[in-house]
Amino acid sequence: EAQVTQNPRYLITVTGKKLTVTCSQNMNHEYMSWYRQDPGLGLRQIYYSMNVEVTDKGDVPEGYKVSRKEKRNFPLILESPSPNQTSLYFCASSTRALSGWQYFGPGTRLTVT
Amino acid sequence: GNSVTQMEGPVTLSEEAFLTINCTYTATGYPSLFWYVQYPGEGLQLLLKATKADDKGSNKGFEATYRKETTSFHLEKGSVQVSDSAVYFCALSDRSQGAQKLVFGQGTRLTINP
Repeated sequence: EAQVTQNPRYLITVTGKKLTVTCSQNMNHEYMSWYRQDPGLGLRQIYYSMNVEVTDKGDVPEGYKVSRKEKRNFPLILESPSPNQTSLYFCASSTRALSGWQYFGPGTRLTVT
Repeated sequence: GNSVTQMEGPVTLSEEAFLTINCTYTATGYPSLFWYVQYPGEGLQLLLKATKADDKGSNKGFEATYRKETTSFHLEKGSVQVSDSAVYFCALSDRSQGAQKLVFGQGTRLTINP
């Protein structure tokens, strides 16, 4: 089954404690992206990757890091989380041919206290 | 820059009512337009899309027409069901900025009562 998986689905942590949210896709997609969803703001892109070892900033990259060492994986790293990063995070993947049609993971709800 | 504006929610309707969710956009270039749906506790799924002016996207009884003259992509359904309750997002992808970048509206929560 074609899918995007994220782990963990729920996470409560404290300010400053480094964390990683994993994302994996099994569709051999070149393109992967991270979004955060906040009430009244829709989804905003954090980082994206056009292919292995190619990453770039989205609209709200501050406080986040990413890496793309393998085609299937695109982890999101928060090195020193802060309460304003409390949000619902989605990973998505796509191919160039789909031109905007992205497959989304189930989401990770992060709370930073 | 590119942006998408959706009608304010939440929207509450009775079953079998007619649905319209308004969406307008601002973009440079020639964007593709999308409606995504998010059911409770799930990620977003593509509902329908249109890639050029006057195209009509349709799926599951929902329709939207790409109107370049009014920069709009309103979502419609003739007879909604309780199972349509979800959050709906309008989005655009501007090929001049790299086809894979999606810009989303703020989302509209739809509740259908039996």
